[in-house]
Amino acid sequence: AQTVTQSQPEMSVQEAETVTLSCTYDTSESNYYLFWYKQPPSRQMILVIRQEAYKQQNATENRFSVNFQKAAKSFSLKISDSQLGDTAMYFCAFMNNNNDMRFGAGTRLTVKP
Amino acid sequence: DVKVTQSSRYLVKRTGEKVFLECVQDMDHENMFWYRQDPGLGLRLIYFSYDVKMKEKGDIPEGYSVSREKKERFSLILESASTNQTSMYLCASSLGSGGRETQYFGPGTRLLVL
Repeated sequence: AQTVTQSQPEMSVQEAETVTLSCTYDTSESNYYLFWYKQPPSRQMILVIRQEAYKQQNATENRFSVNFQKAAKSFSLKISDSQLGDTAMYFCAFMNNNNDMRFGAGTRLTVKP
Repeated sequence: DVKVTQSSRYLVKRTGEKVFLECVQDMDHENMFWYRQDPGLGLRLIYFSYDVKMKEKGDIPEGYSVSREKKERFSLILESASTNQTSMYLCASSLGSGGRETQYFGPGTRLLVL
């Protein structure tokens, strides 16, 4: 079974600085999807960024980018120019071709002014 | 914008009660999901549905059932609530299957079973 590990339960960063959230996963499949979701305090979870495993180029969405290392089964999220609104729980997730989706335990990120 | 709404933000029930959690989406999505979210465990899939009147078990279906009589509505039912079902429950929907389809989440229902 696929597993997703987020080794950092909590992190903090100063406003305007850069922070990287770690995620590793375990799978024997060659094609799959990886996601980062953001859950702000008392607000709905939203998709931040998505990566398809067969694409070697790292996905980017404005200030958010990933470092996808397929051989190492690593999928980290980099947030540049952190803003107060980035304070949230961040979940890494994995989906295989059977639509079986697995989430990590989450990383609580606090952006400090 | 996709809207996924859940009937209650907070709910307090007693052990043994039958509990209904309702989820409605307004974007004609085929797929709907129920997750529970617990600290240190992330989200775990309880049930999902790919079509009306269709349901599939997720990872932790024990103690739960679901109903999807209409495309836009997906209900989670706790047949006899127990204290270990105290949790945050999240509903989600997606247009189709596969990793290219974004799952859109509701605001969650925080359930406390006494």
